[in-house]
Amino acid sequence: GDSVTQMEGPVTLSEEAFLTINCTYTATGYPSLFWYVQYPGEGLQLLLKATKADDKGSNKGFEATYRKETTSFHLEKGSVQVSDSAVYFCALSAPNTGNQFYFGTGTSLTVIP
Amino acid sequence: KAGVTQTPRYLIKTRGQQVTLSCSPISGHRSVSWYQQTPGQGLQFLFEYFSETQRNKGNFPGRFSGRQFSNSRSEMNVSTLELGDSALYLCASSEGLGVVPDTQYFGPGTRLTVL
Repeated sequence: GDSVTQMEGPVTLSEEAFLTINCTYTATGYPSLFWYVQYPGEGLQLLLKATKADDKGSNKGFEATYRKETTSFHLEKGSVQVSDSAVYFCALSAPNTGNQFYFGTGTSLTVIP
Repeated sequence: KAGVTQTPRYLIKTRGQQVTLSCSPISGHRSVSWYQQTPGQGLQFLFEYFSETQRNKGNFPGRFSGRQFSNSRSEMNVSTLELGDSALYLCASSEGLGVVPDTQYFGPGTRLTVL
């Protein structure tokens, strides 16, 4: 079945460090891929998405490229800030599945000044 | 546009009771999905409703049910509560149209504690 495997956390970085959170997926067909972020006490917010191979999603300095050959969608940011501290979820949704999303286990990021 | 709203934000119940959670989607969105989030299992899909019909269902027991009204608002019901039902219940809405999966927009969640 469809699934997402996400890098285990927690991750602790110093401000301005480079961030990579790995995400790989298993799916039949051609899913859409998403990164969501959850701040403490809040619901999930869409960070970025990509709907087909080689698409790059970007938002707020974060980027992820849909790599079909490696079935990956790694999240990157060149210089993290304290305000980026949150839990990040990779997710996929396949066409014709009634909008069902499969989420990774989440990666907690803490950025220290 | 107003975002997805969920009520109540917090609930405390005892084992054996039942509970109803409510979700109001973004205006114009016809699809509402429900997820259970726990530290051990992460985010798990419960079900999705589109135009008042359940379109998809996850692997949860029949104690978990839902419905959607003509204005797209949705309710989720859990009967005969168990301690393991303690979780954050998230509602997400999307336009729900087309073949390509929509972006889902999440509400803040309802924190259910079962004692």
